[in-house]
Amino acid sequence: DQQVKQNSPSLSVQEGRISILNCDYTNSMFDYFLWYKKYPAEGPTFLISISSIKDKNEDGRFTVFLNKSAKHLSLHIVPSQPGDSAVYFCAAELSGNTPLVFGKGTRLSVIA
Amino acid sequence: DGGITQSPKYLFRKEGQNVTLSCEQNLNHDAMYWYRQDPGQGLRLIYYSQIVNDFQKGDIAEGYSVSREKKESFPLTVTSAQKNPTAFYLCASTRGLLNTEAFFGQGTRLTVV
Repeated sequence: DQQVKQNSPSLSVQEGRISILNCDYTNSMFDYFLWYKKYPAEGPTFLISISSIKDKNEDGRFTVFLNKSAKHLSLHIVPSQPGDSAVYFCAAELSGNTPLVFGKGTRLSVIA
Repeated sequence: DGGITQSPKYLFRKEGQNVTLSCEQNLNHDAMYWYRQDPGQGLRLIYYSQIVNDFQKGDIAEGYSVSREKKESFPLTVTSAQKNPTAFYLCASTRGLLNTEAFFGQGTRLTVV
């Protein structure tokens, strides 16, 4: 039973346009959400996070939106660049000493 | 520079052999983790450790063992009991378990031949 779901295994976007990566979760007790970016044969690197007390967090070209009532978060990348091509993992955390729970990832391809 | 180091990057194992993957961090992080990545499966937690000499099973611990004798080190042994060990293994660390970003190593690709 997957608690964090990324239902789109892949996404292709033109360079300069917006990339929107989606993530749904089932456990309403999750209170912190993170996005990681992963290039092939490398470890994931932290990208951006959001606490459940917020609905938006922005860092440069990356914005994460959280809709708690829908148990949905999304990562927006604008403008998309070819170097953004990677697998993006959504992760969620329960407070109280539990490890991160990861989604299966979405492979983003930004086409020049 | 602080970081987390996994070695080796590529590892080949014969069926029936145990093999140990190394993970070292100099970030002074308390918590360390091992994940396994398979195509279409995302990251699945094998074991984690919050403190020296203590560790807990994750979602897919069967066929694996770990130790945490030092804060900096969290080696993972893939035993012969692991039926499908070919995968990409990632080690991570965090300052603690609560609301902190994880730092990942570069990964080890294990192939059973």
